[in-house]
Amino acid sequence: IQMTQSPSSLSASVGDRVTITCRASQGIRNDLSWYQQKPGKAPRLLIYDAFNLQKGVPSRFSGSRSGTDFTLTISSLQPEDYATYYCLQDFNLWTFGQGTKVEVK
Amino acid sequence: EVQLVESGGGLVQPGRSLRLSCLGSGFTFEDYALIWVRQAPGKGPEWVGFIRSKTYGETSEYAASVKGRFTISRDDSKSTAYLRMNSLKVEDTALYYCIISSSYVDDAFDIWGQGTRVTVSS
Repeated sequence: IQMTQSPSSLSASVGDRVTITCRASQGIRNDLSWYQQKPGKAPRLLIYDAFNLQKGVPSRFSGSRSGTDFTLTISSLQPEDYATYYCLQDFNLWTFGQGTKVEVK
Repeated sequence: EVQLVESGGGLVQPGRSLRLSCLGSGFTFEDYALIWVRQAPGKGPEWVGFIRSKTYGETSEYAASVKGRFTISRDDSKSTAYLRMNSLKVEDTALYYCIISSSYVDDAFDIWGQGTRVTVSS
């Protein structure tokens, strides 16, 4: 299963609404999770099963699905949200998306 | 506290072998599948392989890029999993993480180790 993540990077300001998309090459039900990674750190789970917010993750993060398209939304970008984001399908083994770097505008 | 600690990384020449270890604590190690993920410098994470728990036969699966060269094993009495890497290539250079998935997140990756760095170079 291939995961196509877009965009590869984006520039945004604090308070902006940010959306990142992953498209699966075939149906994967809701078997998708989202991760945030900061330099020198392991990725951190944000969303699992497409919609479910991981414990301790701020509610400004949300996940949605339309067919084989999955979206991570940050409703109001905060300074600590500048990072790289990855999707991961676990329908058939595991495949990561290529990543989206969220940078300061 | 649930914790995973990787060790065994280092500098190795192409064609040589290396064995990484992953020590778990704070949970019942034998109940969990153990997953390995790597991340090359400046690149995104890549799933490497995993080993099921004894309940599911301790069988393993591997990414195409490492199949036939890498082997995952486990010793539940030591709460340790291993990643044996043979015929190493320059492109195997990466930070290697071990991971478990808590039952409530299905197969998402919620518990990560800190990683151990492998550099393959002559």
